[in-house]
Amino acid sequence: AQTVTQSQPEMSVQEAETVTLSCTYDTSENNYYLFWYKQPPSRQMILVIRQEAYKQQNATENRFSVNFQKAAKSFSLKISDSQLGDTAMYFCATISNFGNEKLTFGTGTRLTIIP
Amino acid sequence: DTGVSQNPRHKITKRGQNVTFRCDPISEHNRLYWYRQTLGQGPEFLTYFQNEAQLEKSRLLSDRFSAERPKGSFSTLEIQRTEQGDSAMYLCASSLKGVEETQYFGPGTRLLVL
Repeated sequence: AQTVTQSQPEMSVQEAETVTLSCTYDTSENNYYLFWYKQPPSRQMILVIRQEAYKQQNATENRFSVNFQKAAKSFSLKISDSQLGDTAMYFCATISNFGNEKLTFGTGTRLTIIP
Repeated sequence: DTGVSQNPRHKITKRGQNVTFRCDPISEHNRLYWYRQTLGQGPEFLTYFQNEAQLEKSRLLSDRFSAERPKGSFSTLEIQRTEQGDSAMYLCASSLKGVEETQYFGPGTRLLVL
């Protein structure tokens, strides 16, 4: 079974600053994917960034980047130049490449960007 | 096609009533998933389909829950004899198996059982 742990229930940061959200996971699979999803208040969940476990290079998407440490089973999200629109719940999730097809989510981190 | 859609967006019902939710996935996606999300928690897997075949069901999906995906297009999730504990957000997601593993989510149906 896969588990995902997000140890920061809430975080806040000033607009334009950089913030890092933590995520650790446990899996017995060798091939898997990791995701960060964003869920703004009363809005739908959208993909922020994804990482294939077999790729050593950390994924980046504009202001969003990850620090993927496979041996440590750590997958943190860094948001640079934070904006008010980044205020949301952020969920870390993992999925196996085969067999177990469901996403396993963490409990989320509520991020507030302060003007 | 702009994404996954779900109807209704909100549903209030009385305990013991039956409710049905609909999900329309992204048109070319062959995988469709249902998740349940309670307040302050991450989504939990309920079931998923590949085309019209239901391939896995979570133990969270009691006998009162049934899901279908006729013809491999839209899906319905029915809850019979609703209980207050069924109050939650029901999320649908779809993906294209064999191309990428990313699941794209709909806006959800928020259910309140009184």
